[in-house]
Amino acid sequence: NAGVTQTPKFRVLKTGQSMTLLCAQDMNHEYMYWYRQDPGMGLRLIHYSVGEGTTAKGEVPDGYNVSRLKKQNFLLGLESAAPSQTSVYFCASSPVRLYGYTFGSGTRLTVV
Amino acid sequence: TQLLEQSPQFLSIQEGENLTVYCNSSSVFSSLQWYRQEPGEGPVLLVTVVTGGEVKKLKRLTFQFGDARKDSSLHITAAQPGDTGLYLCAGARNNNDMRFGAGTRLTVKP
Repeated sequence: NAGVTQTPKFRVLKTGQSMTLLCAQDMNHEYMYWYRQDPGMGLRLIHYSVGEGTTAKGEVPDGYNVSRLKKQNFLLGLESAAPSQTSVYFCASSPVRLYGYTFGSGTRLTVV
Repeated sequence: TQLLEQSPQFLSIQEGENLTVYCNSSSVFSSLQWYRQEPGEGPVLLVTVVTGGEVKKLKRLTFQFGDARKDSSLHITAAQPGDTGLYLCAGARNNNDMRFGAGTRLTVKP
């Protein structure tokens, strides 16, 4: 049982480059989330989805886009990376909103 | 300013000692969760508390939700090196918002 799988695990981007982070879950969860974790800031919600085909903005959505074309996948895109987006990104899923989150192991992104 | 303030920020103790870490806010939460995160991994859910004054035990870990549902504490009895990690609290508010604290980084030395 894989749970929540994130790819890639590490990535270095140059300022202005684009990339997509992939999150896949095999628990048939309706809800999926993207967070970023920065030292001293805790986990902050970027975007979330309440089901296939839906997305919504979280606390820090600027500079990111998301898509949920299939229930099991939630993609996070950076169209033009900036050094301020250097962070560790976590995907999570849950069977109901605000309850019982399962997190992936994270993607460490560095923008130079 | 964090919505959820966790204290202490860092804690280093010897194996066998007891400890308590705190999660405080001025907001009321419908539920509060505790997670443990190890280096290079995502947070893992330990417990969810939903009722004011609720106490839950998980082996040597005791979690308490404040009567007013604004704060919580985690007490570890006879800490072991395997307890080392970042402990995060997360509060769910009725406006469909979940906020995380910055965490307490615990080191238990053998």
